[in-house]
Amino acid sequence: GAVVSQHPSRVICKSGTSVKIECRSLDFQATTMFWYRQFPKQSLMLMATSNEGSKATYEQGVEKDKFLINHASLTLSTLTVTSAHPEDSSFYICSARDGHSAKNIQYFGAGTRLSVL
Amino acid sequence: QKEVEQDPGPLSVPEGAIVSLNCTYSNSAFQYFMWYRQYSRKGPELLMYTYSSGNKEDGRFTAQVDKSSKYISLFIRDSQPSDSATYVCAMTLTQGGSEKLVFGKGTKLTVNP
Repeated sequence: GAVVSQHPSRVICKSGTSVKIECRSLDFQATTMFWYRQFPKQSLMLMATSNEGSKATYEQGVEKDKFLINHASLTLSTLTVTSAHPEDSSFYICSARDGHSAKNIQYFGAGTRLSVL
Repeated sequence: QKEVEQDPGPLSVPEGAIVSLNCTYSNSAFQYFMWYRQYSRKGPELLMYTYSSGNKEDGRFTAQVDKSSKYISLFIRDSQPSDSATYVCAMTLTQGGSEKLVFGKGTKLTVNP
């Protein structure tokens, strides 16, 4: 149980285009999902927290107009990197918390490697 | 002082060795303690979670929490080359209605055949 699917796993795009990353909880309802960014050999950096049906909460320094987050259902959250530039190239990982569980545990997707040319 | 301290290693051991990975923390309000395993270019995979002080065993893995010392450990018995990965400790607390998950920097482990 507690499987989080993230798609795509790898994306290469041209500078100026937008990229959408999907995060799905497959066997539980995720009232809260999280988006992280990870640079090589660094720990995960939280970008934003999204709650189903409400606006995402962004961490300090993260541009909300740059990284659009939608959490329209209890099993799906999307991150759209708008007008991507080479400096946005990174490893993006989502996680989800089971809304029916008292355990405060996040389950992670496999990550998306974004390369902006 | 960082909230969670973890020695980044790298740690290299021979196959079959017992591996000990550790984290210390400063905030006594942390509630859940987790160990994740992250292979290169993959998302973290939950290995163990604990809530209270003491030991929790799952196969070759044992998680240990000592809240009085603010210290957590992960032991891997009979280590295998497939255990080679980065191991990340993480802990959660709820502050003002919002959840916070704090990660260690991760320890890179290599198990040599």
